[in-house]
Amino acid sequence: GQQLNQSPQSMFIQEGEDVSMNCTSSSIFNTWLWYKQDPGEGPVLLIALYKAGELTSNGRLTAQFGITRKDSFLNISASIPSDVGIYFCAGYTGANSKLTFGKGITLSVRP
Amino acid sequence: EAGVVQSPRYKIIEKKQPVVFWCNPISGHNTLYWYLQNLGQGPELLIRYENEEAVDDSQLPKDRFSAERLKGVDSTLKIQPAELGDSAVYLCASSQGQPNSPLHFGNGTRLTVT
Repeated sequence: GQQLNQSPQSMFIQEGEDVSMNCTSSSIFNTWLWYKQDPGEGPVLLIALYKAGELTSNGRLTAQFGITRKDSFLNISASIPSDVGIYFCAGYTGANSKLTFGKGITLSVRP
Repeated sequence: EAGVVQSPRYKIIEKKQPVVFWCNPISGHNTLYWYLQNLGQGPELLIRYENEEAVDDSQLPKDRFSAERLKGVDSTLKIQPAELGDSAVYLCASSQGQPNSPLHFGNGTRLTVT
């Protein structure tokens, strides 16, 4: 199946540190999306990637579409307390495919 | 622009009772989705609408779940009768409908079945 793997399940970092998360699959994806979910809220789109090798930034966030099209990376630089939350990767394998989500990584930031 | 609006935010019901969730998508978004999110998991698709038509309901447990989007805008998701295992967050999302469009989510309805 079209499973997206995110690990570890939880990450703990110090405020000001950079953090990198990755998302991998055995299937080829043609679109990667990164979402953040705060407690009690729905996922919010952070970055969308549409081409292999694409590198896109959104403020302190940078994401890359892997060259193999089977992975994607999200980097957060100079973390702050409000970066706390669950980060999901999601992707489409084709034009008419459904959006598949990973299980998410819970990020904690120590002040 | 206003986001996806869902109601209620929380619902507690006893098992075997019915429950209905409501969703108003972003204006102009003709594709609407209902997702189920269990604790510690990513969202999983239940049903996708293109305007009024349900184009993917393969993951919807049709013995107890039903959905409507009669005028191609608002949508309802109904569970009847609810079971203990239905306790979860039900998320509604919408998109502009082009292939591989990002989804925009509402804040969800947290359902607790006792």
